[in-house]
Amino acid sequence: DTGVSQDPRHKITKRGQNVTFRCDPISEHNRLYWYRQTLGQGPEFLTYFQNEAQLEKSRLLSDRFSAERPKGSFSTLEIQRTEQGDSAMYLCASSSGGGLNTEAFFGQGTRLTVV
Amino acid sequence: AQKITQTQPGMFVQEKEAVTLDCTYDTSDQSYGLFWYKQPSSGEMIFLIYQGSYDEQNATEGRYSLNFQKARKSANLVISASQLGDSAMYFCAMREANTGNQFYFGTGTSLTVIP
Repeated sequence: DTGVSQDPRHKITKRGQNVTFRCDPISEHNRLYWYRQTLGQGPEFLTYFQNEAQLEKSRLLSDRFSAERPKGSFSTLEIQRTEQGDSAMYLCASSSGGGLNTEAFFGQGTRLTVV
Repeated sequence: AQKITQTQPGMFVQEKEAVTLDCTYDTSDQSYGLFWYKQPSSGEMIFLIYQGSYDEQNATEGRYSLNFQKARKSANLVISASQLGDSAMYFCAMREANTGNQFYFGTGTSLTVIP
């Protein structure tokens, strides 16, 4: 296993279109996180899963955003009716638990540009 | 209020010298964890070092050490013997026991190592 992988790496879409990103975590990790990072900022928490259950969602996650992790393995993040403000890097991370000392392993992200 | 504050947008260091990247945090939890991540231009967040709130010793990992001053709520990263490959964005992050499922990130510091 080479780590967390995200697909696609880059996505350019027209405003109003729907986009879907995929994240494959490290195989034995039960926790999966989605973060959004805009230019000059640190990552902002969007949502997290423990196995297939989505346990927490940020208020940043509007109704246009939905995330799934159907079998507790890979996850998808869908953005409907994209807006220019959605342009950002979307980072996925996974960890083997929720202990305070458990680091998250991040993928290389999907850079979304809405034109 | 910001949970993590990094006040240095950009730092320069001469190769082989040491550099300190500042981080202060805000929490009312007694139990929390502090992390530093490196983000090169490729986008992936790379875990560097961890410090627990109850750890009495400052954490060290190779050339990285964490100067933890609990009373001042600061967790500065020290990189010794800087290398050209250390040029990247550096993010300080925190996990709290009461909201333990997400990482709160600072805005980052861009480090440039000069040959």
